[in-house]
Amino acid sequence: QVHLVQSGSDVKKPGASVKVSCKASGYTFSDNYIHWVRQVPGQGLEWMGWINPDGGATKYAQKFQGRVAMTSDTSIKAVYMELSSLTSHDTATYYCARDLAPAGTVVLNWFDPWGQGTLVTVAS
Amino acid sequence: SYVLTQPPSVSVAPGKTARITCGGNNIGSKSVHWYQQRPGQAPILVVYEDKNRPSGIPERFSGYKSENTATLTISRVEAGDEADYFCHVWDGYTDDVVFGGGTKLTVL
Repeated sequence: QVHLVQSGSDVKKPGASVKVSCKASGYTFSDNYIHWVRQVPGQGLEWMGWINPDGGATKYAQKFQGRVAMTSDTSIKAVYMELSSLTSHDTATYYCARDLAPAGTVVLNWFDPWGQGTLVTVAS
Repeated sequence: SYVLTQPPSVSVAPGKTARITCGGNNIGSKSVHWYQQRPGQAPILVVYEDKNRPSGIPERFSGYKSENTATLTISRVEAGDEADYFCHVWDGYTDDVVFGGGTKLTVL
């Protein structure tokens, strides 16, 4: 069974950075892109970008360019999302999700499964 | 940037049919996927590629798409279907992933 397990909740001060992990199991880790999506409390889903675990290629949403970095560690089947220069507006639950498109393809597909989510709270 | 428009809320009585729409310019040319998100939980896939159901999703969930609107239909609605529903596409022109704003389904 395919699972994505994320790191626990975190509290950060404004201006700091946060790094969230997402560990995969149950499938060949390098076969599929992993996306990061966030959800501000009470609001909708916001796509942040994707990473190809095989080689580390990334694509970031324009809104987060220059502030986000996604990396992978194939030895432990994990991907990471680091967001810097945090403000209170970054308080949200951050999800990783597997894309069913084969890594390296130019066409993206649906997301299944999703990680359980990581709540990041930014407060002074 | 590409925009997907969903109604903020839909209400339906138990046993009736709920229809949740997702509008977008020329959405007929894109693959549409749908997710269910119960309170406090992560989203789960309920329909992919417009009309396909993943294993484990009841047949009561179905999808349909026309030129400018995709629709998620939930037949014989149950109390457990009460959740937020989001549509999702990949915009090939910008290479961006886009989500609709979400629809809260209330079972009366």
